[in-house]
Amino acid sequence: DAMVIQNPRYQVTQFGKPVTLSCSQTLNHNVMYWYQQKSSQAPKLLFHYYDKDFNNEADTPDNFQSRRPNTSFCFLDIRSPGLGDAAMYLCATSRGTGDNSPLHFGNGTRLTVT
Amino acid sequence: GQNIDQPTEMTATEGAIVQINCTYQTSGFNGLFWYQQHAGEAPTFLSYNVLDGLEEKGRFSSFLSRSKGYSYLLLKELQMKDSASYLCAVMDSNYQLIWGAGTKLIIKP
Repeated sequence: DAMVIQNPRYQVTQFGKPVTLSCSQTLNHNVMYWYQQKSSQAPKLLFHYYDKDFNNEADTPDNFQSRRPNTSFCFLDIRSPGLGDAAMYLCATSRGTGDNSPLHFGNGTRLTVT
Repeated sequence: GQNIDQPTEMTATEGAIVQINCTYQTSGFNGLFWYQQHAGEAPTFLSYNVLDGLEEKGRFSSFLSRSKGYSYLLLKELQMKDSASYLCAVMDSNYQLIWGAGTKLIIKP
């Protein structure tokens, strides 16, 4: 089945220790998104790629970076995680932007910062 | 600013009907989505409305009134597995998705 896969499902890192979350897709979608979601809150868009074009949200901290080496893979790098970065990180894909194509989400990575 | 309002939590009984409301104020409108999110899992797509009226999909229906900035998700014949959060999201004039915080639905036997 075509899908969006995130690894790992649970990630524990230490305060200030860089961490990378990964996402892959077999849907061949053009757009890949990274969202941060804290408990009982709306998902917050960090950035998205349309193909190789990177789009950063204005309020995304510099501590968060992303890479998309090819169509199938996208990575979220947190350079110096703080306690406030503990959250669920959701990767999603869509066929395009500017249309009504729904987002397809991976199962998320729950990040704990100790 | 852009805003999506949903009730924080609702409780309903197995087998009953529940209506989850969503009101929005956004810069333009290019459609409204409903997603279901079970605890600790990713959101899954339920429905999309861009024209006024009711869209029915099995036990779930979604209604939209653009003039009122209002939508609801109607769940019939509730099952225990319907216990989840339901997220309303609006696509604005720039095709950006504006998300609500979600409504946690608790189903009791």
